Amino acid sequence: GDSVTQMEGPVTLSEEAFLTINCTYTATGYPSLFWYVQYPGEGLQLLLKATKADDKGSNKGFEATYRKETTSFHLEKGSVQVSDSAVYFCALLARNAGNNRKLIWGLGTSLAVNP
Amino acid sequence: NAGVTQTPKFRVLKTGQSMTLLCAQDMNHEYMYWYRQDPGMGLRLIHYSVGEGTTAKGEVPDGYNVSRLKKQNFLLGLESAAPSQTSVYFCASSAIGAEQYFGPGTRLTVT
Repeated sequence: GDSVTQMEGPVTLSEEAFLTINCTYTATGYPSLFWYVQYPGEGLQLLLKATKADDKGSNKGFEATYRKETTSFHLEKGSVQVSDSAVYFCALLARNAGNNRKLIWGLGTSLAVNP
Repeated sequence: NAGVTQTPKFRVLKTGQSMTLLCAQDMNHEYMYWYRQDPGMGLRLIHYSVGEGTTAKGEVPDGYNVSRLKKQNFLLGLESAAPSQTSVYFCASSAIGAEQYFGPGTRLTVT
């Protein structure tokens, strides 16, 4: 079945460091891919998405490119801030009717950014 | 436009008590979901609904019941709470084939 694998955390960085959080997936067909962010004590928020191969999603300085050849959707940011400290979740949504009802989630990666 | 709201925000129950969590969305979404989030376990789907009057089981449905009598509301019930149901519960909604929008969560403790 479909699945998402994220790098395990926690990830600890200094402010202004470069961030990469790896996400790879297994799916039949061409799923849509998402990154969600959860700040402490809050619900999940959609950070960015990509719906087809080679699409790049971007938001708040974060980027991720849908790579079909490597079945990956790695999250990157060039210069992290303390306010980026959160848990990041990768997820996929299958395209085919009947399987597009539920998101498949990674386990989340905790990021802590130190001043 | 409030998005997805959840009631209550916090609750403490004794073992064996019952309660209902309420989720409401004002985005006219067809699909609604209930998740629980536990440390190290990520998000686990409890039940979901693909339309008014329909419900379906997710990964961890045991001990929970749901109802979707109105399109905008999705209720999660615990008939006889157990300490293993101590968790943070999130509701979400989505349009068909689209991303999910989440509520702020309900923190439930069962003693």
